[in-house]
Amino acid sequence: DAKTTQPPSMDCAEGRAANLPCNHSTISGNEYVYWYRQIHSQGPQYIIHGLKNNETNEMASLIITEDRKSSTLILPHATLRDTAVYYCIVRVASGGGADGLTFGKGTHLIIQP
Amino acid sequence: DADVTQTPRNRITKTGKRIMLECSQTKGHDRMYWYRQDPGLGLRLIYYSFDVKDINKGEISDGYSVSRQAQAKFSLSLESAIPNQTALYFCATSDSRIRVTQPQHFGDGTRLSIL
Repeated sequence: DAKTTQPPSMDCAEGRAANLPCNHSTISGNEYVYWYRQIHSQGPQYIIHGLKNNETNEMASLIITEDRKSSTLILPHATLRDTAVYYCIVRVASGGGADGLTFGKGTHLIIQP
Repeated sequence: DADVTQTPRNRITKTGKRIMLECSQTKGHDRMYWYRQDPGLGLRLIYYSFDVKDINKGEISDGYSVSRQAQAKFSLSLESAIPNQTALYFCATSDSRIRVTQPQHFGDGTRLSIL
């Protein structure tokens, strides 16, 4: 799986959009970008994933650059409950080969009141 | 995620003891995983199972064993616990039958301390 680089921490004001960047310059054509978050030692929670098109769901939006070397997770109206460590993970779609997620250290997002 | 249940939630034990952590799921997923997390670090994969008859080692399987007793149950054993296995352990599931990109769903974790 390709390596990802994320800032170790970020702050965002409550009610504002939180934009979390992720660099994955060695991503392969068949690798997806996944985002998970972990709130205070709870189990990680899936947020969103994408291949090359931008994606949006009820939790967030994912913007992937045209060259696919970086992406941004957007939480449109951050609340205090969004304070968590956010992990950007790049991996191939599972299909019989090695499976599992490779977690880095992620970005600790702190939402300020 | 209440659909993935881990027991016990907390466990303190002594070096050399045999320990079993259990995971059960009601999601009907075929794939199950065990991860460990050390303080300040991301999760690392210990073992994973594609189905009842398919068990695979992950990144850090030494010192651990697993058993997939049924599609819904996947247990992790430490045959002879040592202090550096003190960590937070997570079970996860995924369903590969709909799309191979299905995300993983995690339990709430087991906090294991080995003295």
